[in-house]
Amino acid sequence: EVQLVESGGGLVQPGGSLRLSCAASRFTFSEYWMHWVRQAPGEGLLWVSRINPDGSDTTYADSVKGRFTISRDNAKNTLYLQMDSLRAEDTAVYYCARVVQLEPWALDSWGQGTLVTVSS
Amino acid sequence: QTVVTQEPSFSVSPGGTVTLTCGLSSGSVSTSDSPSWYQQTPGQAPRMLIYSTNTRSSGVPDRFSGSILGNKAALSITGAQADDESDYYCMLYMGSGIYVFGTGTKVTVL
Repeated sequence: EVQLVESGGGLVQPGGSLRLSCAASRFTFSEYWMHWVRQAPGEGLLWVSRINPDGSDTTYADSVKGRFTISRDNAKNTLYLQMDSLRAEDTAVYYCARVVQLEPWALDSWGQGTLVTVSS
Repeated sequence: QTVVTQEPSFSVSPGGTVTLTCGLSSGSVSTSDSPSWYQQTPGQAPRMLIYSTNTRSSGVPDRFSGSILGNKAALSITGAQADDESDYYCMLYMGSGIYVFGTGTKVTVL
């Protein structure tokens, strides 16, 4: 069974930075597009970013563009999200997710999430 | 900014049928938007139910089905069960590598 394990969440002050990691296992990580999705407390899902298999193509939601950077290390089977200039409204559980193979417009496997809290 | 709209809530009786919809603030949803549907219970990660409009994910019961109804994507639950009580989200591919989730629908089975 596919396994995705996020880490790196925690409490950070406004304006600070945090790097999230997502360790992937039990599938060929280097063959899949990967995404980050977040969910603020009591709110709905918000798509954040996605990256292609070799890391050369990335896109972002307008709300995080210019502040967040998605990347991956295929040798380490790990996806990252570098978050800079954090704001209170970035407080959320952050999920990494894998796309459906051959139909890369849907997310078939999700991690358990890591909580990021932006507060002074 | 594109908003993907869903009904805030629905109530369905056990064994009943409910159809949730996913629409665009401007324009119509079509198969080219690759609608997908996710189920989420409190404290859990989302679970994919449907992708590419109407393809069920592995292990998803056939009481869940996806379609296009008029100008919206739709998720139908036929023969609702107690454990179908969850939040449901659609996601659309907007092109140029951008995705948008719907506002979510809370389904109560009672």
